[in-house]
Amino acid sequence: EVKLLQSGGGLVQPGGSLRLSCGASGFDFRTYAMSWVRQAPGKGLEWVSSISESGGYDTFYADSVKGRFTISRDNSKKTLSLDMTSLRAGDTALYFCARSAGTYALGINFDFWGQGDLVIVSS
Amino acid sequence: EVVMTQSPATLSGSPGERVTFSCRASQTVGTNLAWYQQKPGQAPRLLIYGASTRATGIPPRFSGSGSGTDFTLTISSLQSEDVASYYCLQYSNWPPWTFGQGTKVEIK
Repeated sequence: EVKLLQSGGGLVQPGGSLRLSCGASGFDFRTYAMSWVRQAPGKGLEWVSSISESGGYDTFYADSVKGRFTISRDNSKKTLSLDMTSLRAGDTALYFCARSAGTYALGINFDFWGQGDLVIVSS
Repeated sequence: EVVMTQSPATLSGSPGERVTFSCRASQTVGTNLAWYQQKPGQAPRLLIYGASTRATGIPPRFSGSGSGTDFTLTISSLQSEDVASYYCLQYSNWPPWTFGQGTKVEIK
């Protein structure tokens, strides 16, 4: 069974930093691209960042987070991470990790999602 | 960036009723369109990909159609468990991957 277990969310002050993690099980993690999608309270879904199955330079970011967020992965530990810095009130959201719906394929839809992790940026 | 526009924002239907809602892309996305269902407090669930292919385990009352810029999701017989928000996602021109703003389905 595919599982994505998230951790790391919480309350942080504006300008602060936070790291989100997403642990994968039930599939060959190293063969799937992964992404982060967020949802502000009462709002719709917004793509945040994606990384290819190998990681490295194959990373992509929404303009709203470029230069502040860094996506990474550790295939040996089957873990996806999102390092968030210079956090703003507008980054307050439920953050989901999501798997690309096919092996070795970045530009496709997402099939399995984590349970979500709440990040609140407030003083 | 491809802008996805969904309509209506809210839809109310009776149990057993056929309901349809739409998603329009600001430029052609071929059939690189997916639909998700999200119930309150839950993660999104993939319903449809490739504009019309049901994901594994999705009941046949859900169907998708369309190509290019205009897409439709139909629930052939609305059930109480279908109360949720529905989002379309285009994955043709990326980054960014872009979602519609969602349609909220309610039961009368």
